[in-house]
Amino acid sequence: EIVLTQFPATLSVSPGERATLSCRASRSVSRNLAWYQQTPGQAPRLLIYGASTRATAVPGRFSGSGSETEFRLTISSLQSEDFAVYYCQQYDNWPPGVTFGGGTIVEIK
Amino acid sequence: QMELQESGSGLVKPSQTLSLTCAVSGGSISRGGYSWSWIRQPPGKGLEWIGFFYHGGTTYYNPSLKSRVSISVDKSKNLFSLNLTSVTAADTAVYYCARGQVQFDSWGQGTLVTVSS
Repeated sequence: EIVLTQFPATLSVSPGERATLSCRASRSVSRNLAWYQQTPGQAPRLLIYGASTRATAVPGRFSGSGSETEFRLTISSLQSEDFAVYYCQQYDNWPPGVTFGGGTIVEIK
Repeated sequence: QMELQESGSGLVKPSQTLSLTCAVSGGSISRGGYSWSWIRQPPGKGLEWIGFFYHGGTTYYNPSLKSRVSISVDKSKNLFSLNLTSVTAADTAVYYCARGQVQFDSWGQGTLVTVSS
């Protein structure tokens, strides 16, 4: 099973600042990596798939990069609604399976 | 716009079977080549993939749950279901249904299932 490690566990950022979140895979996942945002009481929302493609209606301040085992989610200028928990997720082709990272909490500094 | 809605028992006794359904609206579960998944989240914790019904008809499950889980699809009713047997307190979680397998682009709102006597 591929293990995803997210860091930092908590990121304290001021509104308007840039935030960079990281996700490391225990072995290569190529570009089968997605990012989700979850606010309290809500289902996760897909932000990025294929490592760098923004999902429908996702603002341009969110960007994804990386491949193989190292990935990043960057939020260029944090807005109030961006303070949330972010998860990375990988898909393994064979045997087919999915794992999620442990999450990064982005909190107001 | 596709919508997913979970339903089922919110309280299950230990050793019994957890059963949930996910009703899909705004699109056919049979079309588009999508897979249909279940994911759960214990209170205050992260996300755990349970399994998916592959669009080709095969199911794949999380190895840690494989012996207890089954996912099925009822195309005539446009819904898919989750059964998890021999539940314990560790199975207490919010259960989400979602569309997809490589990534999950539509989610239900989630339903809390508590395992308790």
